[in-house]
Parts: sequence; C-alpha cells; structure tokens
Amino acid sequence: GAVVSQHPSWVICKSGTSVKIECRSLDFQATTMFWYRQFPKQSLMLMATSNEGSKATYEQGVEKDKFLINHASLTLSTLTVTSAHPEDSSFYICSARVLSGGEKLFFGSGTQLSVL
Amino acid sequence: GDSVTQMEGPVTLSEEAFLTINCTYTATGYPSLFWYVQYPGEGLQLLLKATKADDKGSNKGFEATYRKETTSFHLEKGSVQVSDSAVYFCALRRLEGAQKLVFGQGTRLTINP
Repeated sequence: GAVVSQHPSWVICKSGTSVKIECRSLDFQATTMFWYRQFPKQSLMLMATSNEGSKATYEQGVEKDKFLINHASLTLSTLTVTSAHPEDSSFYICSARVLSGGEKLFFGSGTQLSVL
Repeated sequence: GDSVTQMEGPVTLSEEAFLTINCTYTATGYPSLFWYVQYPGEGLQLLLKATKADDKGSNKGFEATYRKETTSFHLEKGSVQVSDSAVYFCALRRLEGAQKLVFGQGTRLTINP
C-alpha cells in the first residue's frame, strides 16, 4: 500500500534551535498534507493543513511563525519548529490525503521531539 | 467543540482474551466515526469506520457499532492475538463544515502470549 516516510523518527535538540521534520509520499502524489501533534496523555491534535503550492492553514492556537510548513511539491512537506523550547516537546505526525479513487489518508510513523 | 474520549491505557491482555476499548464522542450533527491502528514503527492505518447510526464497522476480527443514543463507538474483538499489539485511536469527522479528523488520545494495547 501507499507509504508516507517521515523523518526523523526522534530528535533531541537544545532550546532555541530549529528542527525540521520531513514527510515524503513514496509512491503517490499528495494533494493535501496534515500535520498533527500529540502531547503526553492528550489527543492527537491537528496543527495545520497544507495544499501543494499554497500557504498552510493553521488551527486556532498554533503559531504560524513558529511552526513553518512548506509543501513545495506533491511528494514532500516539511514542518520546521523554529526556536524550539521544552514546551514544544511532543509527538508530531504527518498525514497525506489522496483524492483519486475516493479519499484516502496515509500517515507517517511520527517524530518524537524532545527539547532540552 | 468536537471531541473524542478514549479508554485510558495501557491495556495488557493475554492471547485469546476478549477486548473492549471504549470510545465516546461529542459532536454536533452526525459525524462519521473511525478506528485507526498504529503498529510499532509504522504510520496510523484505518482499521474500520461507520458513517451513520447503528452501522457496524468490521475488519480483521475487530468490530465497532455506531451508537448515537450513547454517543459511543467501542472497539471489540473476541479473541486477540499477539500481533494485535499496537496503539488504537478513535476519531470522528463531521460531514459538514470543517471536515477535519478529531482524534482521541490513543490506547496502547499489549497482548502477551
């Protein structure tokens, strides 16, 4: 089946640094990418939705200048956490939407970010 | 706003035991309901879904029935296997307005041989 490759699977960084997370659709073209995060013992929450070539749409309470999303091609989307702080430590997951043959969603395996 | 509440984990069972993972939701209108499963090292995969009241979704021996009167969508399996060890997420999506998926917090299931 279709695969979304998400890297890195885990990352530890110092406070104030930036971290980039990549999601690639390996054998299909994703018209839309969704980015989620999950804090411990909480729900998986949608952060933003991005369509290829357009600016991302952010959910309420998500800082667009802190969480930069780039979706420059139909097979690659990136999330950059700028000037990360310990409160940004979370599990981040991407999801790609395909519309051909009916709507389908494919998820990456997630990235565990720990900010020291 | 819309929300999904799942049974807190982790859940540990022996092989061939009966499984129930509770899921209740709050939403306006008539959402579609989903169960996703995440096996170790993999992305979430759709396990089953139901789109209207009293519908039963089923796949791989798992079942869940859309109960509007109790706003629930509990996941059940009659006899679990070690290979069912994973994290299970309940989710909803409204058919009107913003059609985003709203997830629960996930329930980690471990099956011991």
